Amino acid sequence: GQNIDQPTEMTATEGAIVQINCTYQTSGFNGLFWYQQHAGEAPTFLSYNVLDGLEEKGRFSSFLSRSKGYSYLLLKELQMKDSASYLCAVRLDNYGQNFVFGPGTRLSVLP
Amino acid sequence: GAVVSQHPSRVICKSGTSVKIECRSLDFQATTMFWYRQFPKKSLMLMATSNEGSKATYEQGVEKDKFLINHASLTLSTLTVTSAHPEDSSFYICSAPGPPRPYGYTFGSGTRLTVV
Repeated sequence: GQNIDQPTEMTATEGAIVQINCTYQTSGFNGLFWYQQHAGEAPTFLSYNVLDGLEEKGRFSSFLSRSKGYSYLLLKELQMKDSASYLCAVRLDNYGQNFVFGPGTRLSVLP
Repeated sequence: GAVVSQHPSRVICKSGTSVKIECRSLDFQATTMFWYRQFPKKSLMLMATSNEGSKATYEQGVEKDKFLINHASLTLSTLTVTSAHPEDSSFYICSAPGPPRPYGYTFGSGTRLTVV
């Protein structure tokens, strides 16, 4: 089976830094994705890692360790609009058509 | 960039009626479309995968006679919820493997279905 774990909820203060962890145990691996989803809206793409290491993209960074089955999303200089759910997703195969989504982490940014 | 247009965005229907949800890829061909269901404060649950020109593949536990999927062309896939019941009320989202690669999915904007 496929298993992806994330913390259910996190709370942080505006301007702070928060790290959202994701661990996975899947039958295949061809990349790990992070999506942001505001309530009642579709997920939007944030980042993609297929090799070990850190990918930085403005206020958002994502890290991957394939040997540990571990990733994190780092959000810096938090803003109120960052309050959302963050979904970790693993692409299972080379065809790019088989994804497994984690349960999502609901982040609340407080003033 | 790639866009998947999904409509309606919201629909309220009476129990026993059927509702059709459409997803169109606007500037690329989607030979495959994934249909997800999402309950409040939960993650995406894959319901089925539609492929143009062939039958849809349903995930375990999803009733294929209740959730009819048709992939009529390379740009259109539809999900019909038949004989809807209040427990079918949910957020339904489609997505397609779309450009720019390798960024995975392009999502539709979602449909909030409420069955009364």
